[in-house]
Amino acid sequence: DQQVKQNSPSLSVQEGRISILNCDYTNSMFDYFLWYKKYPAEGPTFLISISSIKDKNEDGRFTVFLNKSAKHLSLHIVPSQPGDSAVYFCAVRQGGSEKLVFGKGTKLTVNP
Amino acid sequence: DSGVTQTPKHLITATGQRVTLRCSPRSGDLSVYWYQQSLDQGLQFLIQYYNGEERAKGNILERFSAQQFPDLHSELNLSSLELGDSALYFCASSVGGGRDEQYFGPGTRLTVT
Repeated sequence: DQQVKQNSPSLSVQEGRISILNCDYTNSMFDYFLWYKKYPAEGPTFLISISSIKDKNEDGRFTVFLNKSAKHLSLHIVPSQPGDSAVYFCAVRQGGSEKLVFGKGTKLTVNP
Repeated sequence: DSGVTQTPKHLITATGQRVTLRCSPRSGDLSVYWYQQSLDQGLQFLIQYYNGEERAKGNILERFSAQQFPDLHSELNLSSLELGDSALYFCASSVGGGRDEQYFGPGTRLTVT
């Protein structure tokens, strides 16, 4: 059973608009949440993270929101740019564990 | 460029065979992680080594094994290969472990025919 779900396989937005990528998790013991971006033929690259003690973390155009009661996190990209077109993976980590658990990814396409 | 290198980039082999995937971590990183990404799947954690010792294990098959050498490079050995082992295999490294950011290599695409 999937512990991390990204229910939208793909998302298409216009350049300059907001992109919202969503992720749901099942285990309340997860306490660290990350987003990775992946371009074709490359490995994932770290984008932004958030600890369970926070509900929001911002880095430039990227903001991650965490709703612990709903076991839901989202990544907002504002404004979206064509170069943001990539697959975005949500990943979670349980306290004391070394491993990351990944979702299946959402393919974002930003149209000029 | 993450600084993590993986060889080979592509590998095509037949069922029943054995292959070795190689990973060189970023300079100074002590931890190496191996992940498998099958078609339409997220990355599945296989195993982690820290400074030569196994630190954490995921859903790694018994047919698969890994090791980390004194120079900190790592190898993932896949044996008795099956069609379902066809996947992208990623290596990542971090300074230590825990919440240290993981840097991923470009991956090795394995095709089993």
